[in-house]
Amino acid sequence: DAGVIQSPRHEVTEMGQEVTLRCKPISGHNSLFWYRQTMMRGLELLIYFNNNVPIDDSGMPEDRFSAKMPNASFSTLKIQPSEPRDSAVYFCASRIGRGGTGELFFGEGSRLTVL
Amino acid sequence: KQEVTQIPAALSVPEGENLVLNCSFTDSAIYNLQWFRQDPGKGLTSLLLIQSSQREQTSGRLNASLDKSSGRSTLYIAASQPGDSATYLCAVWETSGSRLTFGEGTQLTVNP
Repeated sequence: DAGVIQSPRHEVTEMGQEVTLRCKPISGHNSLFWYRQTMMRGLELLIYFNNNVPIDDSGMPEDRFSAKMPNASFSTLKIQPSEPRDSAVYFCASRIGRGGTGELFFGEGSRLTVL
Repeated sequence: KQEVTQIPAALSVPEGENLVLNCSFTDSAIYNLQWFRQDPGKGLTSLLLIQSSQREQTSGRLNASLDKSSGRSTLYIAASQPGDSATYLCAVWETSGSRLTFGEGTQLTVNP
C-alpha cells in the first residue's frame, strides 16, 4: 500500500503566483481531507470531501483558496494569488467511511513558502 | 466548539522509563479518538484509534485509554526508547464525522 501521496513536497514561490498542491488518496478510501499546519495555529481543517463531493469547506480561509476532487483518486488544492501568510505545511489525509468510523491516514505534506 | 488540550507540552525522560501522555476534550459527544505521532518534517502517523464505545486500545508498547464521560484520554508508552522521540497528537472526531479537532501535541524526547 503506497499510502497517501502528495506533490510537490516543497514549493517556493513569489507572492501573487498560483500554487497547486496535489493529492492521491489511498485506494478504496472515500473520504479526503486537506489540513494546514503552522506553528502559530497548529493543524487546521481546510476542506473535507466524501465520495468526491465537498462536504465541509468552512475552514477554507478565503476565496483565494479552492479545492477540487474530480475523481476518487485525485484532489487538488489551489491558491491564487498566493500571499506570504499562506506559508505552511499542507497535508492531505484519507480514510474509509463517513461518520468518523475510519482511521485517518496522512500524506507526508507539501511545504509551501511564499516570498 | 470542541477544544482539545494536551499535557504536558513537552516531556524529556531517560530511556526505559514508562510514561503517560494526557489529552482532554471539552465536548464528550465524540465519535472516536485517534492518537498520532509526528516526526520533524514529516506527516502524521496514526498510532491508535479508539471508538467511542471502547475503553482502550493496545498496539505493542502503546496503550490508549478513553473516558468519554470525563473527557479524557491517556497514551501510555512502556519501556520508552530513543526512537519514540517525536510529537504525539491527540485528535477527536466530532459526531458529525467530518471534523477532527487536534490538540497542540506533546513533544517527547527519550534520552539514551
